[in-house]
Amino acid sequence: KQEVTQIPAALSVPEGENLVLNCSFTDSAIYNLQWFRQDPGKGLTSLLLIQSSQREQTSGRLNASLDKSSGRSTLYIAASQPGDSATYLCAVILFTGKLIFGQGTTLQVKP
Amino acid sequence: DAGVIQSPRHEVTEMGQEVTLRCKPISGHNSLFWYRQTMMRGLELLIYFNNNVPIDDSGMPEDRFSAKMPNASFSTLKIQPSEPRDSAVYFCASRSEQETQYFGPGTRLLVL
Repeated sequence: KQEVTQIPAALSVPEGENLVLNCSFTDSAIYNLQWFRQDPGKGLTSLLLIQSSQREQTSGRLNASLDKSSGRSTLYIAASQPGDSATYLCAVILFTGKLIFGQGTTLQVKP
Repeated sequence: DAGVIQSPRHEVTEMGQEVTLRCKPISGHNSLFWYRQTMMRGLELLIYFNNNVPIDDSGMPEDRFSAKMPNASFSTLKIQPSEPRDSAVYFCASRSEQETQYFGPGTRLLVL
């Protein structure tokens, strides 16, 4: 059974810091991996989708990497800003199209 | 496009009552997903449809939950009878082939 774990569960950093969020999964037989952002009381917004044949994806200050063999993904946020404060969710996408989510990392960036 | 539309946004009901949650996917999307989010269990897939046909309902917690998709532009998730442990935020998402899922704003359900 596929399980997705995110560490840490919560993170507080001062503005301007670079930070890394971690995601691990137990079964390397995944189709893709996706990172989402969730603001309080809101739905999920897709940040980056990494296809299984790729090793990383970049969008602005965000960079996500994927290492299927070790069952790990990281989301790197450069020069963090208070507006980055949110919960970040990692999800593995199975070949059936089903998504399995981690519990998320709640990030607070202090001005 | 207005995105995925869910209604109601908030629902408060008493234990034993029937609850119906509604979802309108993005036009042209052929897959629709229902999720439940709680503090304890995180975000869980309940059921998903492809071309209006249920593909995987293994996440539906029990017979009190049922979902339908009578056409490509509408789906319902029904809980009958509702229980306090069903209190959660229920999300609907849709996607087209090989693309990312787009999530609705969610329905916040409280069963007293």
